[in-house]
Amino acid sequence: EVRLVETGGDLIQPGGSLRLSCAASGFTVSSDYMSWVRQAPGKGLEWVSVLQSNDMTYYADSVKGRFTVSRDSSKNTLYLQMESLRDDDTAVYYCARGARGAFDVWGQGTMVIVAS
Amino acid sequence: EIVLTQSPGTLSLSPGERATLSCRASQSVSSGYLAWYQQKPGQAPRLLIFGVSSRATGIPDRFSGSGSGTDFTLTISRLEPEDFAVYYCQQYSGTLSYTFGQGTKLRIK
Repeated sequence: EVRLVETGGDLIQPGGSLRLSCAASGFTVSSDYMSWVRQAPGKGLEWVSVLQSNDMTYYADSVKGRFTVSRDSSKNTLYLQMESLRDDDTAVYYCARGARGAFDVWGQGTMVIVAS
Repeated sequence: EIVLTQSPGTLSLSPGERATLSCRASQSVSSGYLAWYQQKPGQAPRLLIFGVSSRATGIPDRFSGSGSGTDFTLTISRLEPEDFAVYYCQQYSGTLSYTFGQGTKLRIK
């Protein structure tokens, strides 16, 4: 079964750092485009970042320079390192597998709350 | 960045009726990379349609997508009770940038 499970969400103070993890099963994260998508409370979906199979990374302007996406192929896990967190980073963070320009597999999400 | 605008914001219909949801792009969508998702409260989005009109695995054939260029439509031919949810369109611009529409809430009339 193809599955993604996110962990690492927490309550964190503004300016703090946090690392999210996304463990994959049923497929290999290094062979696919893997993205992070977030959803602020009561709001729509916002694409955050993508890690291509060739190790290229791209980010939304709202997180560029603060967030870093990476993977550990030995653990079949995707990560999102978040620095200099702001109130408006508060959201449910989903990891998702990219295929043909769409996201065909999603995790259940992990909640990040940035507040003092 | 391509901006996607969905309409209407809320659509009130009854089970058995036909639903037509619109997604308009600020510029032409690259190579037809336009997708639709369904999201229910407390759940992750679920891919319904990719490549404008291809149904994802396991999606019933009452869901169909159409359109080209900047105007796209998701049609649900006969609404079932489980179809009432929020629907998002999403595009991929080919420069590894993805955007979503703001969503259409489909509610029971």
